Formats: sequence, C-alpha cells, structure tokens
Amino acid sequence: GQQLNQSPQSMFIQEGEDVSMNCTSSSIFNTWLWYKQDPGEGPVLLIALYKAGELTSNGRLTAQFGITRKDSFLNISASIPSDVGIYFCAGRLQGAQKLVFGQGTRLTINP
Amino acid sequence: NAGVTQTPKFRILKIGQSMTLQCTQDMNHNYMYWYRQDPGMGLKLIYYSVGAGITDKGEVPNGYNVSRSTTEDFPLRLELAAPSQTSVYFCASSSGLAAGELFFGEGSRLTVL
Repeated sequence: GQQLNQSPQSMFIQEGEDVSMNCTSSSIFNTWLWYKQDPGEGPVLLIALYKAGELTSNGRLTAQFGITRKDSFLNISASIPSDVGIYFCAGRLQGAQKLVFGQGTRLTINP
Repeated sequence: NAGVTQTPKFRILKIGQSMTLQCTQDMNHNYMYWYRQDPGMGLKLIYYSVGAGITDKGEVPNGYNVSRSTTEDFPLRLELAAPSQTSVYFCASSSGLAAGELFFGEGSRLTVL
C-alpha cells in the first residue's frame, strides 16, 4: 500500500526550542493533514492543507503543502510542555476514500 | 458533545475467544473507520464504511469483521483472537473525505494472552 515517510521518528528538545518535522511520499496527494496524539487519547486534527504551496498556521504551529504535492512539513515554534505527544502526518490520494498515515514523530520536551 | 464513543476501553482476551468492539458517533457522519495502532507505530486501517450498509477492507482486515447497519454504529468483531491482535484500536468518523478531518474515539486497548 501507499506509504508516507515521516521524520524524524523521535525528538528530544528543550522547552522553548523550535521543532520541525516532515512527511514525504513517492505519490502525489490532494490533501495533507497533521494530527497530534496525546498519551492515552485518539489523534486530534491540528492543521489541514488542501492546495499545493499552501502555508497554514494554527497558533504556534505552521504547516505547508509541498509544491510537488509529495511532501509536507510541520513547524512548532517556542515549544511548551503541552506540545509533548506523537505527531502524525496523513495524506489523501486523489479520488481515495481513506487517508494514509505516517508512522509518527514522538516529541519529548525537557523543561 | 459525545463525538465518537468506543467501548470497552480495556479488554483482555484469551487466545481463540471472540469479542466485539463497539463504536458509535453522534455527528451524523457517513464515513467511519477502524484503525489499529501497535506500540511505537502509526495507524493501520482495518475496515472502513462510506455509509450504512457499505463496508470495505483496509490494509489489515484479516481476523476482523465489521457491519454498518446504521449511520451511528460501526462495530468491529474479532473472531478467534490471536496474540498478533494485541493493539490499541481506534474508531474514527468523518463527514466526507473532501474535508479530510477524521474525528477519533479515545481508543480500546486489547490484549490477547
């Protein structure tokens, strides 16, 4: 099946640092989404991107839909303890009825 | 708002037992999904449904069955549980893939011993 390569797999940072993660694929996607999963919870949507080149912010989070439509990145600025969790990218191929998920980036923050 | 509700939250099964994971949503969403998440891994799609009476296989359907008799409910049945089915199961719903947003339940942690 389709795969999304998400990196890095894990990050250990100091509070206040900026964070960057990305997803790449060999396929072209029509939609890119970024989800966050807190421990013991289901994933929650952070940002949705629908057009190539689109740059969207949600507070301290910024995500971009790559021009080639094969990649996306998520940045978190000035990290805080509640940013801890697993971040997933997800993409939808044209005409598909389901999403493809990346393997996740586990973010740990040292106070 | 209840959103997507899954039961049970935790369950331990013996090898060969069967059980049903329940999922219900109160958002009148047509699309519903079942995913499993193994430790340290991403989400793998088991089955999905685009409306009542319609179901389709995802990436990892073997050992599972689903039904969609109503818009609200999408139960996942495990027949003859195996240790490989030890995982956290998430149900999700969506109004339609054009919007892209999936609403997830809190998960059901299943252990097969």
